[in-house]
Amino acid sequence: AQSVTQLDSHVSVSEGTPVLLRCNYSSSYSPSLFWYVQHPNKGLQLLLKYTSAATLVKGINGFEAEFKKSETSFHLTKPSAHMSDAAEYFCVVSDSGSARQLTFGSGTQLTVLP
Amino acid sequence: EAGVVQSPRYKIIEKKQPVAFWCNPISGHNTLYWYLQNLGQGPELLIRYENEEAVDDSQLPKDRFSAERLKGVDSTLKIQPAELGDSAVYLCASSLYGDTQYFGPGTRLTVL
Repeated sequence: AQSVTQLDSHVSVSEGTPVLLRCNYSSSYSPSLFWYVQHPNKGLQLLLKYTSAATLVKGINGFEAEFKKSETSFHLTKPSAHMSDAAEYFCVVSDSGSARQLTFGSGTQLTVLP
Repeated sequence: EAGVVQSPRYKIIEKKQPVAFWCNPISGHNTLYWYLQNLGQGPELLIRYENEEAVDDSQLPKDRFSAERLKGVDSTLKIQPAELGDSAVYLCASSLYGDTQYFGPGTRLTVL
């Protein structure tokens, strides 16, 4: 069985400061892990994915995430927040060996303050 | 390249009425997914199609929900009759076999 826990339902940062969105996962196998972003009234967009290659994954818009097996974590970071980063972020796990069977976390709402 | 298209974007109906949602996946994508997203939660899979075949519909409430993908391209999800608790966003996604899923903008359903 697979599951994801997003440790913060809401995160607020000031523009230009670092972003950290925390995610812990549980998986019976070697997981694939994803971060998706959802802007209001828009579809979910893939930010980045980990599929057992490099543990530090770089995504779009300056985001990156590090897979830490010993901590079962896949936290999302960005060095400097921009106003356009305000959105809902979902950590997602798949242990089926593909991206067919995704389990989503409950989401973290990121607010960026001017 | 066009993304996943869904219609309508918004739908308001009274309880016990039927409703249908339509999805057109990215061209060439053989796998199509329907998800339910309740407010403040992540999406949950309702049904997955590989071409025309529904290969995972274990989470689809079959007493009132039905889906079809007759020609292995676009798909329709239907609810009949709708209940108050069905108010949610219905998302469609597509992928090429087991690769990355791409999502449409969703249909926001309100049942009064």
